[in-house]
Amino acid sequence: EPEVTQTPSHQVTQMGQEVILRCVPISNHLYFYWYRQILGQKVEFLVSFYNNEISEKSEIFDDQFSVERPDGSNFTLKIRSTKLEDSAMYFCASSQGPTRETQYFGPGTRLLVL
Amino acid sequence: QKEVEQNSGPLSVPEGAIASLNCTYSDRGSQSFFWYRQYSGKSPELIMFIYSNGDKEDGRFTAQLNKASQYVSLLIRDSQPSDSATYLCAVNEGVSGGSYIPTFGRGTSLIVHP
Repeated sequence: EPEVTQTPSHQVTQMGQEVILRCVPISNHLYFYWYRQILGQKVEFLVSFYNNEISEKSEIFDDQFSVERPDGSNFTLKIRSTKLEDSAMYFCASSQGPTRETQYFGPGTRLLVL
Repeated sequence: QKEVEQNSGPLSVPEGAIASLNCTYSDRGSQSFFWYRQYSGKSPELIMFIYSNGDKEDGRFTAQLNKASQYVSLLIRDSQPSDSATYLCAVNEGVSGGSYIPTFGRGTSLIVHP
């Protein structure tokens, strides 16, 4: 069964460093998403991406964040200058269509900023 | 500020019983409603979605939606210990162009004891 994959599974970085989280969505999906979940808190939407551009983004997704689909398979989330409060689990998800379509989540990347 | 409220629990039920999980939401413009199951340290996994008022059944799971009361629930019949997890309610508002921004509740922890 096709699945969303994410790398790395864990990332430890120093405050102020840049990190890139990678995702490979399900191959026939067209819509891509990033979410984060701070330990013990709720899942929060960051951004949705379709047709090589951002569709929607939340207030959390400020100028330190960017997304890119550099090739036909990868979908990346870049955090330019990490802060302690960026420590969280980051989930990538994909779906065939928007709005009502089922999203499939990847296993997540646990980011720890020291 | 759009809110999705869930009782954090834990909700403890004996094996074989019906577990009832509830969720209320603040945005009357919400169009689609999802229940996810999340095991500790894992990614959310979609269980059910519902768009129209009434009940929707899928195996042991029934989702119920009442838009007038802004209330969505999930019933799990014949609960099994493997159902023990955190159940997340997610609500999508509809925005222009078919995109959406999902809002998640904090989740209800369910414990099914033998």
